[in-house]
This record gives sequence, C-alpha cells and structure tokens, in this order.
Amino acid sequence: EDQVTQSPEALRLQEGESSSLNCSYTVSGLRGLFWYRQDPGKGPEFLFTLYSAGEEKEKERLKATLTKKESFLHITAPKPEDSATYLCAVQVETGANNLFFGTGTRLTVIP
Amino acid sequence: NAGVTQTPKFQVLKTGQSMTLQCAQDMNHEYMSWYRQDPGMGLRLIHYSVGAGITDQGEVPNGYNVSRSTTEDFPLRLLSAAPSQTSVYFCASRAGDHEQYFGPGTRLTVT
Repeated sequence: EDQVTQSPEALRLQEGESSSLNCSYTVSGLRGLFWYRQDPGKGPEFLFTLYSAGEEKEKERLKATLTKKESFLHITAPKPEDSATYLCAVQVETGANNLFFGTGTRLTVIP
Repeated sequence: NAGVTQTPKFQVLKTGQSMTLQCAQDMNHEYMSWYRQDPGMGLRLIHYSVGAGITDQGEVPNGYNVSRSTTEDFPLRLLSAAPSQTSVYFCASRAGDHEQYFGPGTRLTVT
C-alpha cells in the first residue's frame, strides 16, 4: 500500500536556527514528489517538484532533496514568516497519476 | 488569471440536507480534483477528473458526486449531508503531470 509519512508533526525553531523536515514514502512507482506550504485558513501553495534520487531544488531559505526512500526540506536561517504547515505529496505511476499527501509538519519560527 | 476559485467559503448544513460546492479554474487545465482535509488525516482525494465528461473516484468518494461538463468547472455534490462530512474541502487543478494548484477552500460544518 502506498504510504507517505512526515516527521516531525510539529517543530519550533528560533529565528536563524536551521533544521530539516522529513518525508518518507513507500510507493509502487514514484512519478514525482511535491512539497507544498499551507498557511492557516488557506489552500496549499506549491513549492517544489522532485523527480529522481539525487535531485535538489532551492528557493530562498528552502532546499528540497530526494533519495529513493525519502525527501528532506532543509530550512536555513528561518524567519518568522516561514511559519506554516509544510506538506509532502507523492505522485504515483498509476491511472491518472494522482497525488497522495502526508499529514504535514507544522513549523513555528519564534523571533 | 484568477486561478482556482471555490464558493462558498463557509457553509453550515443540517444533517440530511444536500448542497453543491463550486469549483472553477481559468487555466485550461484538463485535470481537476477534490480533496478533504481533516485534522491529523492530511488531504484525502475524493473524486477527480482527467477531462470534460470523465470522472473517477479517489480514496474517500462515499456520499459525494461529481460531474465535469466543461473544462472550467468541477462541482462537488453532497447528496445527504452527515456530521462525518464536516471538513475543509479543497479543489485543485493541474496541466499534465505538473504541479497542482489549489483553491482557497470551503469550510463545511454539518450539524
């Protein structure tokens, strides 16, 4: 059965304190792995897509990496405005290539 | 471009009532989908469509109907609302296998 697990569930960081969020997956065939950011009361906002092991993508203070079993979202010197829930989703190579989501990591950055 | 729009933003229903959640996109995307988001459960796929006239079930389709008569619109119908359908509903669209864009969500409460 396809599964996506994110850890930790919640993370509190001081401003400037770098850390990583984890997304581990077990799927029959990975077509792509997606990272989204979701602010309270809003819809998920797209951040990155990764397609193959070893691939990396960067945007401002965020960098996403991918291995054959997991993905990491590294946050360097975070700011309070980076506080949000970060969602990981896998696109499976079946049918319509739907996305299956993890439960997210709620990040709080304290000034 | 307005992107993906959803109406209403909030809705309260009594058990047994029916209603339609509206979703529209102006990006000419073939693929559209509906998710529900519940605390601790992540986003779960309800129904999806790969083009006008084509719909299929996701992970949690029971109690919901969809239709896709145009590329732009993908309404979600609750046939007889139940308290278990209290949730936040998100519509999304994408072009091919690229990233999905989400609407702002509809917060539904069934009493």
